[in-house]
Amino acid sequence: EPEVTQTPSHQVTQMGQEVILRCVPISNHLYFYWYRQILGQKVEFLVSFYNNEISEKSEIFDDQFSVERPDGSNFTLKIRSTKLEDSAMYFCASSGRVVGTHYEQYFGPGTRLTVT
Amino acid sequence: QQQVKQSPQSLIVQKGGISIINCAYENTAFDYFPWYQQFPGKGPALLIAIRPDVSEKKEGRFTISFNKSAKQFSLHIMDSQPGDSATYFCAALMIKAAGNKLTFGGGTRVLVKP
Repeated sequence: EPEVTQTPSHQVTQMGQEVILRCVPISNHLYFYWYRQILGQKVEFLVSFYNNEISEKSEIFDDQFSVERPDGSNFTLKIRSTKLEDSAMYFCASSGRVVGTHYEQYFGPGTRLTVT
Repeated sequence: QQQVKQSPQSLIVQKGGISIINCAYENTAFDYFPWYQQFPGKGPALLIAIRPDVSEKKEGRFTISFNKSAKQFSLHIMDSQPGDSATYFCAALMIKAAGNKLTFGGGTRVLVKP
């Protein structure tokens, strides 16, 4: 069964450093998302991406964050200058092209980001 | 108005029992309500979902009940098994052509005792 994959599984970085989190969505999906989950808290929406542009973003997704689909398979989240409060599990999700199910989102296993 | 409130925070049930998790929402524009199951160290997995034009949906041992007038929906896990021990999240979204952001509830940690 196709699945969303994410790398790395765990990233440790120092405050102020740039990090790039990588995702490979399900191959025939067209819609891509990033969510985060601070330890013990709810999953929070960051950004959605479709047709090579951001379609919606939350107030968390400020100028320090950016997303990119550099090729036909990868979807990345970049944090330019990490802060301690960016420590969280980051989930990539994707959803398909079929009208009537294009909003059904499938999540990857996540990248645990630790900022020290 | 975008919030989804979930209860209880945790739940212990005996094997074979019924687990019931409740969610309430405020935004009447929400029109898709999925439930996700999450095991420790894993991503949320889509379990079952419902649209507001039906009051109940059943898939195997999992049933969603939906009350549109009360703006509430619930997940029932019948014949609960130890393998069902996980955190369950309800969520909601407004279906659009693009930018379908999920708003999650706070999660319920379910422990099924053998």
